[in-house]
Amino acid sequence: QKEVEQDPGPLSVPEGAIVSLNCTYSNSAFQYFMWYRQYSRKGPELLMYTYSSGNKEDGRFTAQVDKSSKYISLFIRDSQPSDSATYLCAMSRNAGGTSYGKLTFGQGTILTVHP
Amino acid sequence: NAGVTQTPKFRVLKTGQSMTLLCAQDMNHEYMYWYRQDPGMGLRLIHYSVGEGTTAKGEVPDGYNVSRLKKQNFLLGLESAAPSQTSVYFCASSYRGTHNEQFFGPGTRLTVL
Repeated sequence: QKEVEQDPGPLSVPEGAIVSLNCTYSNSAFQYFMWYRQYSRKGPELLMYTYSSGNKEDGRFTAQVDKSSKYISLFIRDSQPSDSATYLCAMSRNAGGTSYGKLTFGQGTILTVHP
Repeated sequence: NAGVTQTPKFRVLKTGQSMTLLCAQDMNHEYMYWYRQDPGMGLRLIHYSVGEGTTAKGEVPDGYNVSRLKKQNFLLGLESAAPSQTSVYFCASSYRGTHNEQFFGPGTRLTVL
């Protein structure tokens, strides 16, 4: 069983829809949770970052972490065609230390927002 | 400030050939990483380095070697390429001791025939 599971989709939604992307994980030691966005034929770039449980909002994007359920989510409101990309969840145990900044990634969800 | 750069962008190899992928970063990052990305598999860590002169194995290190002779460069070598190494390779770097944001390069698309 993978440490981090992510529904690969693909997910296709109309412009303006609310999108929900999710990951589950098995390692309770994970404390830092991230969402990366990857456009076609590009490298991933950090979209959202959260520490421990809770919500974080940035414009149309909201990241949620529920450590008790080992479940994280990314919500996109008023989705736009420019949001079409692969979204990767990532997590780590601690900052630096023996984890040396290593991240464990989900498989990625391919999202298409059509006009 | 170029961030993380990778060369080459594309490469086609025949089985058994060798090659080196170069990653360079100009952000003075301590940590550097090599990943491969395959459909449905996400990003898998091949090797990583926590500083100049250091390297360590990641999740899928077999068939690859790395070197970090200079802080800004991280090389990934394939000694004898196999079709199973056909993939997109990404390099990333991060600050030491921060919240682990990794900055990625644009990737190298490698095909082994």
